[in-house]
Amino acid sequence: VMTQSPGTLSVFPGERATLSCRASQKVSTNLAWYHQTPGQAPRLLIYGAFTRATGLPARFSGGGSGTEFTLVISSLQSEDFGVYYCQQYNDWPRTFGQGTKVEIK
Amino acid sequence: QVTLRESGPALVKPTQTLTLTCTLSGLSLNTSGVCVTWVRQPPGKAPEWLARIDWDDDKYYRTSLETRLKISQDTSKNQVVLTMTDMDPVDTATYYCAGRIGTVGHDAYDFWGQGALVSVSS
Repeated sequence: VMTQSPGTLSVFPGERATLSCRASQKVSTNLAWYHQTPGQAPRLLIYGAFTRATGLPARFSGGGSGTEFTLVISSLQSEDFGVYYCQQYNDWPRTFGQGTKVEIK
Repeated sequence: QVTLRESGPALVKPTQTLTLTCTLSGLSLNTSGVCVTWVRQPPGKAPEWLARIDWDDDKYYRTSLETRLKISQDTSKNQVVLTMTDMDPVDTATYYCAGRIGTVGHDAYDFWGQGALVSVSS
């Protein structure tokens, strides 16, 4: 089970945002982060816990291993608002967290 | 440019079988390391992983749904097909196909279709 916190994060544009994801058992660094806006498919941001997907701005950084993971957005831009999901791919079936909604404060 | 596109019915009746097709463009399903996965997302909820098929035809299923799911590929058409039997209203969701193209070694999906909303209702 993947548990994300907080459920909702209210942030001013330009501020830093820190999202957390906890796995109920160790998943090594087999973890990905996705971003989703209404009506759109999820978009891969991070895989291998800290590797940025092609074209992802450097303001996004992932970290952690084992059971505790973080996604940090150093300076939130307008296009960064939406829901963020973590996904483990260490075990079958692959599982997603319930999401963190990042909204404009 | 790699794209994926889902197609299938928007509405199915309870107990019917759902058949969804994912058409891959810009890359062959035969390419070593390529995987296509089906993920669904009920309205307002988190995504749920369903099944995966690899370039070498290995298949993986969500255990809780394994008896209802079948994933296959037609390499001549560059398509992946998902069938789900005995549909129920709780299966109402947007169904996505997603590809692992550039993240070989990691089961992370860097290409997604636009999604197909499937409603189950009599």
